[in-house]
Amino acid sequence: QKEVEQDPGPLSVPEGAIVSLNCTYSNSAFQYFMWYRQYSRKGPELLMYTYSSGNKEDGRFTAQVDKSSKYISLFIRDSQPSDSATYLCAMVPNQGGKLIFGQGTELSVKP
Amino acid sequence: NAGVMQNPRHLVRRRGQEARLRCSPMKGHSHVYWYRQLPEEGLKFMVYLQKENIIDESGMPKERFSAEFPKEGPSILRIQQVVRGDSAAYFCASSPPSAVEQYFGPGTRLTVT
Repeated sequence: QKEVEQDPGPLSVPEGAIVSLNCTYSNSAFQYFMWYRQYSRKGPELLMYTYSSGNKEDGRFTAQVDKSSKYISLFIRDSQPSDSATYLCAMVPNQGGKLIFGQGTELSVKP
Repeated sequence: NAGVMQNPRHLVRRRGQEARLRCSPMKGHSHVYWYRQLPEEGLKFMVYLQKENIIDESGMPKERFSAEFPKEGPSILRIQQVVRGDSAAYFCASSPPSAVEQYFGPGTRLTVT
């Protein structure tokens, strides 16, 4: 069993839709949870990260962590074609450690 | 503030040759991480370095791979006697001290022919 599971998709939605991206994990030691966006043939770009359980909002993006269920989510409101990319979740037990990534979900937002 | 820089962006090597990948972290960042991304797979950790020290190399293959981050200059990931299975995108990330967030460079795409 992988430490971090993420549905690879692809996920296709119409412009303006609310997108929900999810990851599950098995290691209860994870404390920091991140979301990266990766455009084709580019490096991953950090969108946001959260510590422990709870919600964090940044513009159209909301990250949610439920440690009791070992489940994290990223919501994108009013999705745009420019949001079309692969979204990677990542997590780490402590500061300054290796990130454990999910496989990534490929998202396509159609105009 | 320039981001993480990696070069070359594309590298073609024949089987048996050596590949050297370079990474310059963001200004003020003293921690460097290397990750590998194979087609249809997520990013896999390889090694974590601070200046002149290897902190965690648990993801590095036991043979042919080495990494360094000298006091001066970029971090280097070295792959000796490359094989076709080494073909992948190699990403470097950097972070400031005592930070959890890691910032990635554009990657080096290695092709072994």
